[in-house]
Amino acid sequence: GESVGLHLPTLSVQEGDNSIINCAYSNSASDYFIWYKQESGKGPQFIIDIRSNMDKRQGQRVTVLLNKTVKHLSLQIAATQPGDSAVYFCISGGGADGLTFGKGTHLIIQP
Amino acid sequence: ETGVTQTPRHLVMGMTNKKSLKCEQHLGHNAMYWYKQSAKKPLELMFVYSLEERVENNSVPSRFSPECPNSSHLFLHLHTLQPEDSALYLCASSQDWGRRNSPLHFGNGTRLTVT
Repeated sequence: GESVGLHLPTLSVQEGDNSIINCAYSNSASDYFIWYKQESGKGPQFIIDIRSNMDKRQGQRVTVLLNKTVKHLSLQIAATQPGDSAVYFCISGGGADGLTFGKGTHLIIQP
Repeated sequence: ETGVTQTPRHLVMGMTNKKSLKCEQHLGHNAMYWYKQSAKKPLELMFVYSLEERVENNSVPSRFSPECPNSSHLFLHLHTLQPEDSALYLCASSQDWGRRNSPLHFGNGTRLTVT
């Protein structure tokens, strides 16, 4: 499967600030990316996805940015709340390629 | 509700016991998956079923035996487990196996402790 890596294993942010979680991938042919969120005691949940024909996609308080030139994508969370505390995974490929997860980034919210 | 339901949520078993984990999806998906999640390690894909046929088996010990009687149900039969098998076992489904743009939908897992 595609090799994707999150830049930081842990990210600590103040409540109310914006969070940015980064991810890099190696296969320039990758054309679909997914972000998952896993809260403590739960399974991963789909947050948002983006296709390679887009540079940006917005959801509710979340934005994913894709930079194909440097093979990098980021998940931005606006006005971070305690409920955003979780481990975040970026997955490349979807389908059979999208079954491999890395270690994720643990987002910690400081009060 | 996630659309994927796993039971039990917690399970403690001895090494000589036999138990089964159950997963049910209410999403009309055709593919189902078992993952293992151990502390400090990435999710490990164990088994993949597509239209009730196993399509992938990632070198999982034979003490783990999957069963998919129909596209909505998936079981993981456990016997003679080891303490290192203690982990969170996650079930997932997707519309189709191998289809791009087909995210996984996970259940909340069974927390297994082997004593």
